[in-house]
Amino acid sequence: GQNIDQPTEMTATEGAIVQINCTYQTSGFNGLFWYQQHAGEAPTFLSYNVLDGLEEKGRFSSFLSRSKGYSYLLLKELQMKDSASYLCAVRALYNFNKFYFGSGTKLNVKP
Amino acid sequence: GAVVSQHPSRVICKSGTSVKIECRSLDFQATTMFWYRQFPKQSLMLMATSNEGSKATYEQGVEKDKFLINHASLTLSTLTVTSAHPEDSSFYICSASLPAGETQYFGPGTRLLVL
Repeated sequence: GQNIDQPTEMTATEGAIVQINCTYQTSGFNGLFWYQQHAGEAPTFLSYNVLDGLEEKGRFSSFLSRSKGYSYLLLKELQMKDSASYLCAVRALYNFNKFYFGSGTKLNVKP
Repeated sequence: GAVVSQHPSRVICKSGTSVKIECRSLDFQATTMFWYRQFPKQSLMLMATSNEGSKATYEQGVEKDKFLINHASLTLSTLTVTSAHPEDSSFYICSASLPAGETQYFGPGTRLLVL
């Protein structure tokens, strides 16, 4: 089975840095993905990790430790438009394209 | 990136009726599409994997006779909610991935309200 945990909600200040954690326990692992989802909209792809380490894409970075079953998404220079839910998803090993999602972390960015 | 569309974006229906939702990959061929359901303040729950030319694979607990999936072409998958009830009211999202792609691309979602 799949068990993916994220904090429910976080608050941060505009211009700051925030780290959103995700822990997972899965029967098979083939990559960890982060998506952003604004209220009432579909998720949009942010970043993914297959190997351990840090992947950087502009203001967003994602880190993975497979041995610890742990990932985080780092958002720098926060903007008001970053207020959204951030979903952690694990891709199944035995079905290359099947994704399992965490419950999502709602990020509130304050002025 | 790849574009996936869904239609309709919003539908209201009476209890007992059936509703069809279409998912199209606009600029690529998708041999596999996925259907998710999302209740308010909850995450996406995978309902089924839709394979072109074959039967869909349903996740545990999802009734295949209630949620009919048809993937008749490489660019179109449909989800039909049969005999809809108020508890079926939810946000339904489809996704597709490129044949050699790493991620999934999501449609804009369909909000279903059953009265």
